[in-house]
Amino acid sequence: GAVVSQHPSRVICKSGTSVKIECRSLDFQATTMFWYRQFPKQSLMLMATSNEGSKATYEQGVEKDKFLINHASLTLSTLTVTSAHPEDSSFYICSASREREYNEQFFGPGTRLTVL
Amino acid sequence: GENVEQHPSTLSVQEGDSAVIKCTYSDSASNYFPWYKQELGKRPQLIIDIRSNVGEKKDQRIAVTLNKTAKHFSLHITETQPEDSAVYFCAAVDFPGYSSASKIIFGSGTRLSIRP
Repeated sequence: GAVVSQHPSRVICKSGTSVKIECRSLDFQATTMFWYRQFPKQSLMLMATSNEGSKATYEQGVEKDKFLINHASLTLSTLTVTSAHPEDSSFYICSASREREYNEQFFGPGTRLTVL
Repeated sequence: GENVEQHPSTLSVQEGDSAVIKCTYSDSASNYFPWYKQELGKRPQLIIDIRSNVGEKKDQRIAVTLNKTAKHFSLHITETQPEDSAVYFCAAVDFPGYSSASKIIFGSGTRLSIRP
C-alpha cells in the first residue's frame, strides 16, 4: 500500500503557457500533500503544503499566484504552473501522508517540466 | 526555521568499504530523522529513519546514529556494493502532534559513488 502517482511524468511546454501536474494517492486517503521542486544536482525544496478542502500553505519565496495548488479530494492534489518560463524548468515531486499517520510521507515519481 | 546541513557533498569509496554521511540540524524541536536514497530521475526512497528517543538503529548494512545533544546524526553503510551508488539525503522533521502533518526539511544531499 501507500502508492502515490503523478501525471504527467514528463512535459515540455512553450514559455507563457500553463501546465497542470496531478498527484494522486492510489490506495489511501491523503489528508495532506506536499509539493517539492528539485533543480539538477540540488536538494528537494518544499514549495507548499496542501490540506484537503483548504488553501495551501506556501513556503517563503514561492509565488502562490504562479504555482496554484488545489487539493479538492483526499486522493488528488494538483499543481498548476501558470505562465511558465524557462527558469521554472525543474523536477516537481509530490508526497502524501496518510490520515492519522504523520510519520512518513510517500513520494510520487516526479514530473520533469521543461519550458522552452 | 529548521536548517539541515549535510556533508560531504560527494563521496567515493571502494566496493566493500564503509561510507559515512553526516548531518546537523538546528531546531531542537525536530524529533524524527529519515534518510532517503534517490537515483537519477527517480523519487526519493526512505531507507532508514530514527526517532529522537533512540540513539542508534540498524537495518542490515545500514545504520543511523543520533546525538540529540549535539544535534548530529549520521548514516553508515557497511560492505558497500555498486547498487549503493546514488544520492543520499538526510532530513529532519518536527512533529507537533497529530493535529497536522509536518514538513520534511532535507539536507543538501551526498552523491555516493562505489568504485569497483
